[in-house]
Amino acid sequence: GAVVSQHPSWVICKSGTSVKIECRSLDFQATTMFWYRQFPKQSLMLMATSNEGSKATYEQGVEKDKFLINHASLTLSTLTVTSAHPEDSSFYICSEARGADFSGTQYFGPGTRLLVL
Amino acid sequence: AQSVTQPDIHITVSEGASLELRCNYSYGATPYLFWYVQSPGQGLQLLLKYFSGDTLVQGIKGFEAEFKRSQSSFNLRKPSVHWSDAAEYFCAVVPTGFQKLVFGTGTRLLVSP
Repeated sequence: GAVVSQHPSWVICKSGTSVKIECRSLDFQATTMFWYRQFPKQSLMLMATSNEGSKATYEQGVEKDKFLINHASLTLSTLTVTSAHPEDSSFYICSEARGADFSGTQYFGPGTRLLVL
Repeated sequence: AQSVTQPDIHITVSEGASLELRCNYSYGATPYLFWYVQSPGQGLQLLLKYFSGDTLVQGIKGFEAEFKRSQSSFNLRKPSVHWSDAAEYFCAVVPTGFQKLVFGTGTRLLVSP
């Protein structure tokens, strides 16, 4: 069964509003979670690495003030898209990493589809 | 430039036929290699991974992949495709010294009756 959940699964919002997406680890205390973005018919692009109890690490070109990440507990990371605009419409996917040596085994959530009107 | 390439955007295979999905990478040192499958409404699922050792890797759902260092390739294969295999397949790598997955552009597999 699923080990990572995301909520909501889809969301429609007006331009200028903020949207929060939750990523929950269901059976593991994840100190590290990842947030990806996937445009239609394109690959997943890593946005940021979320670390429990510390600031997230953002990939080059990702606005940290635009995409706020909070990892306040070992089972929950949130991504808030602030002042969303139509170009932020995308599929957002989170994952959790297991393995202290980063063996690369990541468990992915089902994704959240965001549509900004 | 360092990258992961999946040259086939779409592949159509008849049910019961064999399948091979191609993946090439361009990194100086051999990275960790993965294949993931993405089905609508479901999260990406790991099919198999290669770190070292035997170059032929067995995965779930009857998939296997072969690492060929000389060709910088990690192609995914299945001897007999089922209709339920229709999905998007992603090759991914963890470059040496990095702690993040880099995904290829994906290959959409269509299975015809």
